Amino acid sequence: EDQVTQSPEALRLQEGESSSLNCSYTVSGLRGLFWYRQDPGKGPEFLFTLYSAGEEKEKERLKATLTKKESFLHITAPKPEDSATYLCAVRGDDKIIFGKGTRLHILP
Amino acid sequence: NAGVTQTPKFQVLKTGQSMTLQCAQDMNHEYMSWYRQDPGMGLRLIHYSVGAGITDQGEVPNGYNVSRSTTEDFPLRLLSAAPSQTSVYFCASSSWGVQETQYFGPGTRLLVL
Repeated sequence: EDQVTQSPEALRLQEGESSSLNCSYTVSGLRGLFWYRQDPGKGPEFLFTLYSAGEEKEKERLKATLTKKESFLHITAPKPEDSATYLCAVRGDDKIIFGKGTRLHILP
Repeated sequence: NAGVTQTPKFQVLKTGQSMTLQCAQDMNHEYMSWYRQDPGMGLRLIHYSVGAGITDQGEVPNGYNVSRSTTEDFPLRLLSAAPSQTSVYFCASSSWGVQETQYFGPGTRLLVL
């Protein structure tokens, strides 16, 4: 059965303090790993899709990396507007399964 | 280009009532899905569809029905609402292939009394 585990559940950082969020997964035949950002009261917003180990994607202060068992979302010099819940999801066959997310709070 | 739209935005039901949550997309995406989001549980897949006429069950399908008669629409039906179905429901769509991107609707907040 496909599984996605995200850690930590919550993270508080000072503005400018870089860190990483973890997404470990178990899937038979990875066909895509996805990262999303979700603001309170809104639907998830797509950030990245990764397909194979060693792949990296960047967008502003965010960089996503992928290994055979986990993915990391690196946040460099975060700003308060980066505060949100970050969701990881995997596609094995036709299902896209989500982890429970990491709530990130950036203090000014 | 409206993306993914959901109606209604908010609904209150009594136990035992039935209703349909509407979802539509104008991006000609083959794949559509329904999730529910509860505090501490993340997004859980209810049903999904890989194209018109094809649907399948996700992680938590009990108490819900879907159909996909057109590419654009993917309604979710609650057959007999229960308090346990109080949740926020999200519809999503994506195209298969290189650089898949899944777009979500704004959500429907459902309260079952």
